[in-house]
Amino acid sequence: GAVVSQHPSRVICKSGTSVKIECRSLDFQATTMFWYRQFPKQSLMLMATSNEGSKATYEQGVEKDKFLINHASLTLSTLTVTSAHPEDSSFYICSASSGGDSQPQHFGDGTRLSIL
Amino acid sequence: GQNIDQPTEMTATEGAIVQINCTYQTSGFNGLFWYQQHAGEAPTFLSYNVLDGLEEKGRFSSFLSRSKGYSYLLLKELQMKDSASYLCAVRDSNYQLIWGAGTKLIIKP
Repeated sequence: GAVVSQHPSRVICKSGTSVKIECRSLDFQATTMFWYRQFPKQSLMLMATSNEGSKATYEQGVEKDKFLINHASLTLSTLTVTSAHPEDSSFYICSASSGGDSQPQHFGDGTRLSIL
Repeated sequence: GQNIDQPTEMTATEGAIVQINCTYQTSGFNGLFWYQQHAGEAPTFLSYNVLDGLEEKGRFSSFLSRSKGYSYLLLKELQMKDSASYLCAVRDSNYQLIWGAGTKLIIKP
């Protein structure tokens, strides 16, 4: 149980393109979804937290107009990297939690984004 | 400020036992998680501790002492596939998850 599907797994595109990444909880309802980015050999960096039906809460230093998050339902959240540039190249990972004190975050497989 | 410390890298031998320590200073405590992350992959959940003591799950065990702000992950009968980074994360009083930088575990034959 507790499967999170993230798509696409890899994106290579030109500078200036907008890229949408989907995160779905397949067998549970995710009250909260999280978006992380991770640079090589570094730890996870939380970008934003989103609850279904409300605006995402962004971490300090993360541009909300650059990284658009939509959490339209209890099973789907999307991250759109708008007008991506080479410095946005990174490993983007979503996670989802069904809530409750003992419930961990379950992670998608991640999206490797490369901007040329 | 909030801080989680774990060793950067550890090396162990196949078949042996290794203990990965994690110390934390956070504003409040609502549980501690251990995750495993293989290179190039997303983290996978290993264990959760909220009360003091040892939680055992097969070859993996996790220990917590809240008074000492300390946890460890114990891996027994090490296998080559256990080579990965191990992330310690603490949920603070606001239910925010604070992540450690991870410990890279290298298993040698």
